[in-house]
Amino acid sequence: AQSVAQPEDQVNVAEGNPLTVKCTYSVSGNPYLFWYVQYPNRGLQFLLKYITGDNLVKGSYGFEAEFNKSQTSFHLKKPSALVSDSALYFCAVRDGADSNYQLIWGAGTKLIIKP
Amino acid sequence: DTEVTQTPKHLVMGMTNKKSLKCEQHMGHRAMYWYKQKAKKPPELMFVYSYEKLSINESVPSRFSPECPNSSLLNLHLHALQPEDSALYLCASSQDTGGGLADTQYFGPGTRLTVL
Repeated sequence: AQSVAQPEDQVNVAEGNPLTVKCTYSVSGNPYLFWYVQYPNRGLQFLLKYITGDNLVKGSYGFEAEFNKSQTSFHLKKPSALVSDSALYFCAVRDGADSNYQLIWGAGTKLIIKP
Repeated sequence: DTEVTQTPKHLVMGMTNKKSLKCEQHMGHRAMYWYKQKAKKPPELMFVYSYEKLSINESVPSRFSPECPNSSLLNLHLHALQPEDSALYLCASSQDTGGGLADTQYFGPGTRLTVL
């Protein structure tokens, strides 16, 4: 079955420290992986995606993510966290074996950056 | 410009009212989506339009009725809603190329709906 897991409901990081938000997935075909961020009372903003090619993907606001096929993971990272990075982060995947538009979403991880 | 706009931002309605949510994009995208999102949960797909035709209806109750008047506009007509329908309703769009697998969905800011 297709699924996305974000194992941490909440991640706390001190400002200036590196941050990681974890995501693992399970699909039948090739994965198409996405990260979105949602600030309070706002829509979802696209951060980055992995389709094919280089396993390290760079995105908006200094975020990057590393695709690891053997571990079926796509963790989101940033070298130095800002207080303004505090938000809700969603990982999502499309299954390359499917022909519909469905994104399969993780449950979300709340990221709190403390000054 | 990756902007999707939604109106209104907030909507309060009674269970007997009829209202509509509107969504607009000018990115030339040919796929448009309606999602429902409860607080701190991932969005749930409701409808997908591809080239102005309804492509996916995720078993949504008939009190929600989508409409795609043209490639830039998407409406969601609401009638006889229940309090449990209160949520953030998000519109999104994507290019819809080659089946859409690699397409990025761009989201609007949402309409916060409260049903009394």
